[in-house]
Amino acid sequence: QSALTQPPSASGSPGQSVTISCTGTSGDIGGYNFVSWYQQRPDKVPKLIIYEVTKRPSGVPDRFSGSKSGNTASLTVSGLQPDDEADYYCCSYGGNNNLVFGGGTKLTVL
Amino acid sequence: VQVWESGGGSVHPGGSLRLSCSTSGITFNSYAMNWVRQAPGKGLEWVSTINGFGDRTNYADSVRGRFTISRDNSKNTLFLQMNSLRSEDTAMYFCVTGVTVSRVLSRLNDWGHGTLVTVPS
Repeated sequence: QSALTQPPSASGSPGQSVTISCTGTSGDIGGYNFVSWYQQRPDKVPKLIIYEVTKRPSGVPDRFSGSKSGNTASLTVSGLQPDDEADYYCCSYGGNNNLVFGGGTKLTVL
Repeated sequence: VQVWESGGGSVHPGGSLRLSCSTSGITFNSYAMNWVRQAPGKGLEWVSTINGFGDRTNYADSVRGRFTISRDNSKNTLFLQMNSLRSEDTAMYFCVTGVTVSRVLSRLNDWGHGTLVTVPS
């Protein structure tokens, strides 16, 4: 149950796009299409923004998109807005109904 | 959907606590239920999951053998019994609904606001 690897920080200017990577192994990200992403604004509760690699829950803007290649998943935020400034966590099913999170990426909107 | 936790507090190392979680707005026994924790200033850590029937449980290595997850579907309530607590268990504990797809835990949907557990070192 090793944590997934995310960059600690990312940044972009309003209107730009930024991509956050999340690297695991064949036992988690590479083995299943059950990658999810969570947004946690300062002092707020985490919120699901992407599930099953590419799907968005109702109400999440299509500026948020997810993808996966091999053992690495990615979250892309397009058309950055100040409100997107938050911590972002990836999460993958790891087999046997276990979940594993990434360490989190702090996104700064410059 | 509303999810809310209770039972947190400060406990000495080696002590025990029992967390509870209640929900409304969902058919409780249709959801796997989960505990996720977040140490102060740190990231999210999955702790435990229980299926809708309550007959299958899973634990992170860091808590296995010390924590026990359970549920009472007649009362729409989830529990986490925490024994042999350590300073590294200090965290906000979130109760979260889980959606399963073909018995695989796909995602964590609705989060409570958390209950703080503090174990002084």
